[in-house]
Amino acid sequence: TQLLEQSPQFLSIQEGENLTVYCNSSSVFSSLQWYRQEPGEGPVLLVTVVTGGEVKKLKRLTFQFGDARKDSSLHITAAQPGDTGLYLCAGPPNDMRFGAGTRLTVKP
Amino acid sequence: DADVTQTPRNRITKTGKRIMLECSQTKGHDRMYWYRQDPGLGLQLIYYSFDVKDINKGEISDGYSVSRQAQAKFSLSLESAIPNQTALYFCATSDRGLDYGYTFGSGTRLTVV
Repeated sequence: TQLLEQSPQFLSIQEGENLTVYCNSSSVFSSLQWYRQEPGEGPVLLVTVVTGGEVKKLKRLTFQFGDARKDSSLHITAAQPGDTGLYLCAGPPNDMRFGAGTRLTVKP
Repeated sequence: DADVTQTPRNRITKTGKRIMLECSQTKGHDRMYWYRQDPGLGLQLIYYSFDVKDINKGEISDGYSVSRQAQAKFSLSLESAIPNQTALYFCATSDRGLDYGYTFGSGTRLTVV
């Protein structure tokens, strides 16, 4: 059973569009992490959100942690082809669980 | 050099063969992990180790074993490989703090024929 549900599973958009992907759970997490994985490489940590309601920005990426600390979202503004990849959410390292990911393709 | 190095990067082996995947790290982290990645299933935890004398099974440990030879080295073995162990395998490390993320290696693509 996947305790971290990510949606959508696949997303294909044109360059310049905005998008949001989601990570949901029935469990409360002390923190949630987002990773991006490119083909042939391991996942790379983008951000850790810790406080309920927290919003973090990383250039065109905005991450939000739900008030109840059970869900998180990643919003990308004006997507670029370089944003293409698999986006994974995860609980804290002592939890060791990952979502199945959202595979994003941004077309030029 | 990469912080987490996995060898080999690619391997094709036959059913029934024993194979070892190796991982070494220069992060100085105590915690090391082995994950398996299959399309649509995300990352599944095979084994983890919080220090040299600590080894723990993950959710899919059957058919696998590990050895933590030193703080920096954590190897994964498939005692008798079978085709459904064909997957992408990742080693990762983490620091002890809950806010710190994983550092992953580049992965080993294993094919069992």
